Order: sequence, then structure tokens, then C-alpha cells
Amino acid sequence: ETGVTQTPRHLVMGMTNKKSLKCEQHLGHNAMYWYKQSAKKPLELMFVYSLEERVENNSVPSRFSPECPNSSHLFLHLHTLQPEDSALYLCASSQRLFSDTQYFGPGTRLTVL
Amino acid sequence: AQKVTQAQTEISVVEKEDVTLDCVYETRDTTYYLFWYKQPPSGELVFLIRRNSFDEQNEISGRYSWNFQKSTSSFNFTITASQVVDSAVYFCALSEAPGGNEKLTFGTGTRLTIIP
Repeated sequence: ETGVTQTPRHLVMGMTNKKSLKCEQHLGHNAMYWYKQSAKKPLELMFVYSLEERVENNSVPSRFSPECPNSSHLFLHLHTLQPEDSALYLCASSQRLFSDTQYFGPGTRLTVL
Repeated sequence: AQKVTQAQTEISVVEKEDVTLDCVYETRDTTYYLFWYKQPPSGELVFLIRRNSFDEQNEISGRYSWNFQKSTSSFNFTITASQVVDSAVYFCALSEAPGGNEKLTFGTGTRLTIIP
């Protein structure tokens, strides 16, 4: 298995639910990223991890909680989300931080009811 | 601040026609990197090309070609003999070298539809 994988691919949750998105990269990269892609908006960088340390948190609400247990795995824990959080959540990885090419996973399409 | 503009929101062409997607960027840095990604309906962003600001050579890869012109701050993407499988949203992106704004800044994308 190669590249960046994300599970689940689709998720529907209520505002009171707690769920987690998972990302796994098989590229031996050291940096991982979470992006949010909403309709009609540019991709928004949410969190960045380099060697399992969080290096960027772009003013993301606390109802989104990232976790990076090792350099191959990245999670996004979700709780008490709002309908406006419905979006495509994309994970990416790169060999080094930022200016190296980022490779993306297929995304999780999240719908908050 | 860095910025990427893709003025074409949507383009439709008939199969086998050539099509050019425009990308104009802004940066204060002299060293930067430009990218193109393809996002098919499945959602995954597929990396197409990365270009270093010091390398202005045009690049061709099969039916794809890229025209990088620093004088006009443009990095345009041409698909020749388009195919239905080329239908997707295409994003241009920019990042600056370490010391600058290294975060990947994306344009708003161009939705390309190839009509059979």
C-alpha cells in the first residue's frame, strides 16, 4: 500500500457526536497536515505536525483536536461540531516541512446535521 | 503576502481540444515554489508538477505542459488533445522558501469539464 490514505471516506454526524478522522501515510515523510475544503473557498490549512510535534494551529476552534502519535499517523478528533463544519477534510504529508511537495489523501467528506 | 489567482472559475471544452488554465501569483520572495494539483470528483488532490523559481524552463509531460514566466508572474497549464478523464478541478499553489511564508497557498481552482 502506498501514498496517503484516509478513513472514513464519508461521515455523517450529529452536533453532539464525537468522531475521529484517521490519516496514514506510507511515504516515510516527516510532516503531516490537515486541511479543510469548503465549497467556494480556497483550501484552509488547519494543523501541521513535523516529527510528531505540532508546529501550526491556524486559529482552529477547539472542537477540532488533532493527534499525531507517530510520523505515519494523524488523527482529527471531532466533538460538538456545527453544521458549518461540513466540508471535505484532506490530509497531506511531505518529506520536510512546508516547501517540499505535499501529497494528499482522498479526503473525508464530513456532514454535520 | 503571497497570493495565487486563478481567474477562470469554470471552463468547458469539447474533447480533443486544447485548453489552457491560467495562474497568476504574487510573492515578495525571490525563491519560491509553484505547484499544480488536480482534484477529480473522487476528491483526492493529485500532485502534477512542482517548479522552482530559478527554473524558468517550460516543461512537457505527455499531453500536459507548463509555461512559467517570471516577467508576468504566471504559471499556466496547458492540456493538449483533452480527454474526458481530464475533467477535474485544477489548483495552482505557491510556497516560499524557508525564511518566508512556507505555507502552501492555493488558488480557488478552475473546474474543467471535457465534453465528449
